[in-house]
Amino acid sequence: AQTVTQSQPEMSVQEAETVTLSCTYDTSENNYYLFWYKQPPSRQMILVIRQEAYKQQNATENRFSVNFQKAAKSFSLKISDSQLGDTAMYFCAFMEQYAGGTSYGKLTFGQGTILTVHP
Amino acid sequence: ETGVTQTPRHLVMGMTNKKSLKCEQHLGHNAMYWYKQSAKKPLELMFVYSLEERVENNSVPSRFSPECPNSSHLFLHLHTLQPEDSALYLCASSQDHRTSTDTQYFGPGTRLTVL
Repeated sequence: AQTVTQSQPEMSVQEAETVTLSCTYDTSENNYYLFWYKQPPSRQMILVIRQEAYKQQNATENRFSVNFQKAAKSFSLKISDSQLGDTAMYFCAFMEQYAGGTSYGKLTFGQGTILTVHP
Repeated sequence: ETGVTQTPRHLVMGMTNKKSLKCEQHLGHNAMYWYKQSAKKPLELMFVYSLEERVENNSVPSRFSPECPNSSHLFLHLHTLQPEDSALYLCASSQDHRTSTDTQYFGPGTRLTVL
């Protein structure tokens, strides 16, 4: 079974600085997808960024980028120029590739990291 | 907002009550999901529906009973719950459960407290 581990329960950063959230995962699959989701306080969870395991290039979305190390099974999220609105719980998630039949792409989440951005 | 709504947002119920959680998506998606988010635990997938057919029941106790009357609506019927069932219940939808790159869009959740 796949597992996802986020070893940092809480992180804090000053506004405008850079912060990196860690995530490791365990799988025997070769084709899969990785995601970072953001859940602001009392607000809906939204997708921040995703990475296909077959792509060597790290995904980037504006101020958010990932460092994907497939061999090490590591998938960290870097937030540059942190903003107050980045304060949220961040979840790393794994999804295996759909294998047909009744199989489906199940999202497996880590425990989450609470990020607080200070002014 | 993500186009996925959930009602009620908060629910307090006794162990002998019967209640239902409702989820509605306005995105034209074909797959819907129920997740349980407990304090200090990872989100747990409970059920997956695709085109109104249940494709996964992730070893969930029978006191949770899902219903998907059409591709836009998903219910979670609750009965004889236990205090440890208190959690945030999240609904999500995606275009197609078979497409791994499909983004899952989440609702705001229902905060359930079982007394």
